[in-house]
Amino acid sequence: NAGVTQTPKFQVLKTGQSMTLQCAQDMNHEYMSWYRQDPGMGLRLIHYSVGAGITDQGEVPNGYNVSRSTTEDFPLRLLSAAPSQTSVYFCASRSNLAGGPGGELFFGEGSRLTVL
Amino acid sequence: GNSVTQMEGPVTLSEEAFLTINCTYTATGYPSLFWYVQYPGEGLQLLLKATKADDKGSNKGFEATYRKETTSFHLEKGSVQVSDSAVYFCALGWGYQKVTFGTGTKLQVIP
Repeated sequence: NAGVTQTPKFQVLKTGQSMTLQCAQDMNHEYMSWYRQDPGMGLRLIHYSVGAGITDQGEVPNGYNVSRSTTEDFPLRLLSAAPSQTSVYFCASRSNLAGGPGGELFFGEGSRLTVL
Repeated sequence: GNSVTQMEGPVTLSEEAFLTINCTYTATGYPSLFWYVQYPGEGLQLLLKATKADDKGSNKGFEATYRKETTSFHLEKGSVQVSDSAVYFCALGWGYQKVTFGTGTKLQVIP
């Protein structure tokens, strides 16, 4: 009954370092996405994928990279971390069968990233 | 573009008080509307949803009605509990797989 699993839960980086946030889901969901949550700004979409091998940019994609080689995994890479990327990151998934705009998103517990 | 505006918090209420959190939206077409809740230290989870005008979503004593004429989806609960303390997000689902979130409203319920 794992749902959406994110690792690590906490990470501190120095400016310029790179890292990968991991996201895995065991619900066979086609759609996966990454959001960042910042005070006063709600959740903003970074990247999303509607299936293995397919990714697309969201609202705030700069500085982040994604790939989707399997249905289960959707890692988010920070190429060269900046203090502006200090945030809480959430991975979310949904079944494409839910279709259209009415499907429920399932969220991981979040990864808190601090860039010094 | 499509957007969601929800009332700013924090909202502080005494236990058993009536809760309203306002949410209005701007959208073209026929969006779905959601309320998600985030408990401390956790990810968001769906609280309720409505997929067409005049639909009422309800769960755990919370209700919201999709009002197309006023472009609103206000969240209400008749009697809040301490365990309802959380951040509440209004969200708009539109197009194919698009979801736009509001900025969140923090609710604190005191005994």
